[in-house]
Amino acid sequence: GNSVTQMQGQVTLSEEEFLFINCTYSTTGYPTLFWYVQYPGEGPQLLLKVTTANNKGSSRGFEATYDKGTTSFHLQKASVQESDSAVYYCVLGPADTNAYKVIFGKGTHLHVLP
Amino acid sequence: EAAVTQSPRSKVAVTGGKVTLSCHQTNNHDYMYWYRQDTGHGLRLIHYSYVADSTEKGDIPDGYKASRPSQENFSLILELASLSQTAVYFCASSGSSGNTLYFGEGSRLIVV
Repeated sequence: GNSVTQMQGQVTLSEEEFLFINCTYSTTGYPTLFWYVQYPGEGPQLLLKVTTANNKGSSRGFEATYDKGTTSFHLQKASVQESDSAVYYCVLGPADTNAYKVIFGKGTHLHVLP
Repeated sequence: EAAVTQSPRSKVAVTGGKVTLSCHQTNNHDYMYWYRQDTGHGLRLIHYSYVADSTEKGDIPDGYKASRPSQENFSLILELASLSQTAVYFCASSGSSGNTLYFGEGSRLIVV
């Protein structure tokens, strides 16, 4: 069945360090892939999305490449800031246009130390 | 900008009581969703709807009912609240299948 795996439950970095959050997925077809970010006390919000395989999405300094070959959609940022502290969710969209459900990974809690 | 509002934002309910969480969207979206968030589980889908007067079961529907009386409104109903339903609940809407989800700010429910 369809699934999303985020193995890192928590990541702690200092400011200006490089961020890498691992995400792999399992599905058939060519779904849209998303990264959502959730700040404390708020609902999740879209960070970036990529609709086409082997393309890259970017937003606010974050990047992710939709790699159909390795079924990965890792999130990266060259230099994190304390304000990036949040929970990050990798999300798999439906590949079938008749399907309605997206699938969330379990989330990665990023702590950035000043 | 997309707007999804939830009420109440916080509630304490007694075990066995009835709880209704409401969601209103002004995005003109067809799709609406209720998610539950627990530490260590991320977001889990309870019910969703793609048209008024129709709802569908998500991954964890047991103990919950949903109602979609209009395109704008989607309610989550706990007929007999239990301790295990203590959680934060999020409503979301989207314009089409697989499109971006717009979330509300969440409703924190504590069942005592």
